[in-house]
Amino acid sequence: GQQVMQIPQYQHVQEGEDFTTYCNSSTTLSNIQWYKQRPGGHPVFLIQLVKSGEVKKQKRLTFQFGEAKKNSSLHITATQTTDVGTYFCAGGSGSARQLTFGSGTQLTVLP
Amino acid sequence: ETGVTQTPRHLVMGMTNKKSLKCEQHLGHNAMYWYKQSAKKPLELMFVYNFKEQTENNSVPSRFSPECPNSSHLFLHLHTLQPEDSALYLCASSQVGLMIANEQFFGPGTRLTVL
Repeated sequence: GQQVMQIPQYQHVQEGEDFTTYCNSSTTLSNIQWYKQRPGGHPVFLIQLVKSGEVKKQKRLTFQFGEAKKNSSLHITATQTTDVGTYFCAGGSGSARQLTFGSGTQLTVLP
Repeated sequence: ETGVTQTPRHLVMGMTNKKSLKCEQHLGHNAMYWYKQSAKKPLELMFVYNFKEQTENNSVPSRFSPECPNSSHLFLHLHTLQPEDSALYLCASSQVGLMIANEQFFGPGTRLTVL
C-alpha cells in the first residue's frame, strides 16, 4: 500500500531560525495536504497542493510539491513560538476518499 | 471550532466494559472518518464512511465497531478493549470530490484510557 515518510521526526530550533520538514511518498500522489496539530489539539488543515512543481506561500510558510508529485516540503522562515506543534503531510492517491498521513514532525521553538 | 464535535472528550474504561464514542459534523459533508492517534505514531485511519456506506476498513480488530446512521453522525462502539487501545481517537469529515481527496476537518478527539 501507499506509504508516506516524513522527516525529521523531531526538530528543536531557536526562535528566529528557519525550519523545514520533508515528505516522501512511495507512489505518485494526486495531491498533498499539510496539517498542523498544536500540543493537546487536533490536526488543522493548512494547505493543499495539486500541481507538479507547485509552490504556495502563507506568510512565513512556504509549501512545495515536487515535479514528480512524490515529495513535498514545508519551510518556515524565522520561526516563532506560535509555530510550535506537529506538522503532518497527507498524500492523496487514486481513491478520492482517503489520505495517507505522514508520521509528522514535532517542532519545538526555544525562546 | 471546526464544525466537528466529539463526545466524550475523555473516557476511562475497563477491559470488560462497553462504551461508544460519538461524532457529529455540522458542515454538510458526505464522508466521515475515524482515526487512531497513539503516542509517537502516525495517524492511523480506521474506518471511512462515504454517503453512510463503509468504504474502508483498514484491518481494524472487531472489538471496534463503527456505525453511521446518517451523513452527519458517526459512532465507534467499543467492547473488550485492550490496554494498547489507549489513544486519542479522532473523527474527521470531508466533502468527497471526484478527482482528489479534499481537506479533512477534525474534531477535538476522545482521549481513551483502557485499564
